Amino acid sequence: AQSVTQLDSQVPVFEEAPVELRCNYSSSVSVYLFWYVQYPNQGLQLLLKYLSGSTLVKGINGFEAEFNKSQTSFHLRKPSVHISDTAEYFCAVSERTGGFKTIFGAGTRLFVKA
Amino acid sequence: KAGVTQTPRYLIKTRGQQVTLSCSPISGHRSVSWYQQTPGQGLQFLFEYFSETQRNKGNFPGRFSGRQFSNSRSEMNVSTLELGDSALYLCASSPQGNTEAFFGQGTRLTVV
Repeated sequence: AQSVTQLDSQVPVFEEAPVELRCNYSSSVSVYLFWYVQYPNQGLQLLLKYLSGSTLVKGINGFEAEFNKSQTSFHLRKPSVHISDTAEYFCAVSERTGGFKTIFGAGTRLFVKA
Repeated sequence: KAGVTQTPRYLIKTRGQQVTLSCSPISGHRSVSWYQQTPGQGLQFLFEYFSETQRNKGNFPGRFSGRQFSNSRSEMNVSTLELGDSALYLCASSPQGNTEAFFGQGTRLTVV
């Protein structure tokens, strides 16, 4: 069975500073990896996904993530954050074959300060 | 293309009652998954349906059940509600079930 660990529950950062949200996963089979964002009282919105190919994945709103198979990590980065990036971010994993369920990490609350 | 629609958005029920939540997926998506989101437990997988068949189920008691209709719309039912069932219930649809998921805005269930 797969699992996801988000290493930071909260990340405070100043506006225009870079940020990295860390995610490690565990699975016995090959996986797909995702980052989602959730704004207050909303559902989740996909930021980016890794299905295959290049390990550096670019997403919406200037976010990118790098898949590292040897370290089983999929960290999310943004070079310069805005106040509007304040939200909850979820890392998720699903198995390439079978399973048919996506498992989410506990979430990281990104708080951007002026 | 219309997004995932969940109804109702808000619901207040009394302990012991039952509740049915509805989810209409994106047109053409055959997979529908349900999640329970609470501050303490995060996002927990309930079950996934594909072409009217449940393919996977999370670790929830039998009081939680679901079904999917031939038009891919899905419902989940919770019987004998407990205070701990208060949560945001999210539905997600996808073409296959293990790739990108599109989420609805959720149903906020409060059990009193």
